[in-house]
Amino acid sequence: GDSVTQTEGQVALSEEDFLTIHCNYSASGYPALFWYVQYPGEGPQFLFRASRDKEKGSSRGFEATYNKETTSFHLQKASVQESDSAVYYCALGGASSSFSKLVFGQGTSLSVVP
Amino acid sequence: DMKVTQMPRYLIKRMGENVLLECGQDMSHETMYWYRQDPGLGLQLIYISYDVDSNSEGDIPKGYRVSRKKREHFSLILDSAKTNQTSVYFCASSVNTGQLYFGEGSKLTVL
Repeated sequence: GDSVTQTEGQVALSEEDFLTIHCNYSASGYPALFWYVQYPGEGPQFLFRASRDKEKGSSRGFEATYNKETTSFHLQKASVQESDSAVYYCALGGASSSFSKLVFGQGTSLSVVP
Repeated sequence: DMKVTQMPRYLIKRMGENVLLECGQDMSHETMYWYRQDPGLGLQLIYISYDVDSNSEGDIPKGYRVSRKKREHFSLILDSAKTNQTSVYFCASSVNTGQLYFGEGSKLTVL
């Protein structure tokens, strides 16, 4: 079945550091890829999506590029702030299943210290 | 107002008691979900509802059932709760574009 793997379970950075959270997927067909963010005490929120190879999704200073060759959708941000501390989820949908049923990675907890 | 509301936000029950978690949405979304979230396991899909009385099992449905009698309302029921059902439960809704709107979660503790 379809799956999403986030390499890092936890990431600790200082403010203004560069962020990369790795996301790789395995899917039959041509899925859309998503990033969600969950702030402490809240539910996950949609961050952005990309639907085709080489498409870049972006929001709130975060970005990721769909790479079909490497089956990746790594999340990046040039300069993180303490307010970016959250759990980040990569997800895919629309491959073997419809967009109604996303497959989520296990999440990466980002902690940013001042 | 694009909001998913969960009640209650916090709940403590004893093993064997019944649990009702309720969820409402004001976006007229056809599809609604119940997930549970545990440390290290991420988001696990319990049930998905495609519309009124059109519910399907997710990845971990055992020990849970759901009810959807109105499009805007989706309930999760635990008959005879178990300690391993202690978790944070999230409801969500969507229009099948992959953009889910989540509630703030219901933290259930089963003693």
